[in-house]
Amino acid sequence: KNEVEQSPQNLTAQEGEFITINCSYSVGISALHWLQQHPGGGIVSLFMLSSGKKKHGRLIATINIQEKHSSLHITASHPRDSAVYICAVQETSGSRLTFGEGTQLTVNP
Amino acid sequence: AAGVIQSPRHLIKEKRETATLKCYPIPRHDTVYWYQQGPGQDPQFLISFYEKMQSDKGSIPDRFSAQQFSDYHSELNMSSLELGDSALYFCASSLYTEAFFGQGTRLTVV
Repeated sequence: KNEVEQSPQNLTAQEGEFITINCSYSVGISALHWLQQHPGGGIVSLFMLSSGKKKHGRLIATINIQEKHSSLHITASHPRDSAVYICAVQETSGSRLTFGEGTQLTVNP
Repeated sequence: AAGVIQSPRHLIKEKRETATLKCYPIPRHDTVYWYQQGPGQDPQFLISFYEKMQSDKGSIPDRFSAQQFSDYHSELNMSSLELGDSALYFCASSLYTEAFFGQGTRLTVV
């Protein structure tokens, strides 16, 4: 069992839909990161969370430390949101990141 | 704002050759991480440095070595390249906890 699991692995949506990507982890963490990776590989850090909720534009990220679960929401999705979204955790035992397998999001016009 | 800079962006090498990848962290960041992402794979941690000293080591082959220099940039040296080393190599830098990522170097071994 992976330490970080994401669901779904693939997600196709129509433009304008509300999207949720989930991340569950099994280790103690000091922080959780949501990352976006476009074709070609470049990674953009969207959020870093250690508790609660953060919002940036149409993106919202929440984390429940007790349940070891985080969600990334995209409101009013747009084709340019199409990318791989990766959940990565920073374990309390060290500083390295452990990555989930990513969620491939495709938003159709 | 300055970001994490990696060079080169793309690199093609033949088997058994050597390659050197460079990572320039965000100014004042003191920690650099290296990750390897194979085709269709999630990134795997290779190695990290804090204040020019190795701070953590992951699944880095013995054929690879890395160091962090006095200006905090880091280099990943890869020798006796194998076809399986073809991957995206990206580095991240941090000060405290939030990590910022470079665009990656795509290495193709032929």
